[in-house]
Amino acid sequence: YVLTQPPAVSVAPGQTASVTCGGSNIGRKSVHWYQQKPGQAPVLVVFDDTERPSEIPERFSGSNSGNTATLTISRVEAGDEADYYCQVWDTSSDHCFFGSGTKVTVL
Amino acid sequence: QVQLAESGPGLVRPSETLSLTCTVSGVSLSTYYWSWIRQPPGKGLEWIGYIYYSGTTNYNPSLKSRVTFSADTSKNQFSLRLSSVTAADTALYYCVRAYGGGSGSRFDSWGQGKLVTVSS
Repeated sequence: YVLTQPPAVSVAPGQTASVTCGGSNIGRKSVHWYQQKPGQAPVLVVFDDTERPSEIPERFSGSNSGNTATLTISRVEAGDEADYYCQVWDTSSDHCFFGSGTKVTVL
Repeated sequence: QVQLAESGPGLVRPSETLSLTCTVSGVSLSTYYWSWIRQPPGKGLEWIGYIYYSGTTNYNPSLKSRVTFSADTSKNQFSLRLSSVTAADTALYYCVRAYGGGSGSRFDSWGQGKLVTVSS
């Protein structure tokens, strides 16, 4: 199962960043999103398409429909600069897949 | 609060076996599924597989012939063995909690990662 992410997204502080994750009928799957800052382990920021862990700011949100899932970061801050990965399970094979990652740069 | 810590050699010779152990604290190993995920330098994340304390395992097909997971509930640890390694297996190896149980899980707690280099 192939997940397609744009290699890079640039956004000005205070604006909104959208990171897409494309896959065949991905809207039928649960999508999880991870943030990875340089030299650190990934951190779960959105799970089950739209849910946020309690420690993650409300500025992070997700959506999923059709062939595209999207992570949206509102009111972007310098500290949001990181790599973001989407992740799904293919229930037919019971295997896990990650997207190739998107580097979000805050201008 | 769950904590995970990887341990093992940081250098492995080509054709030999990579062995890592993850020590879990703050929660019983038998309560959740657990995974190994790796990340080659400068590249993305690759799921290696998961294990449940009972011994149930599920491996990435691309690595299945070389991977073995095991769990030791008495030590609250689980382990990874990857045989016949090559330079392509050089990566940062993470042990991770797979919350939700097997398929559909989200990875909500990560170790700090263990860099393993395959080189002679």
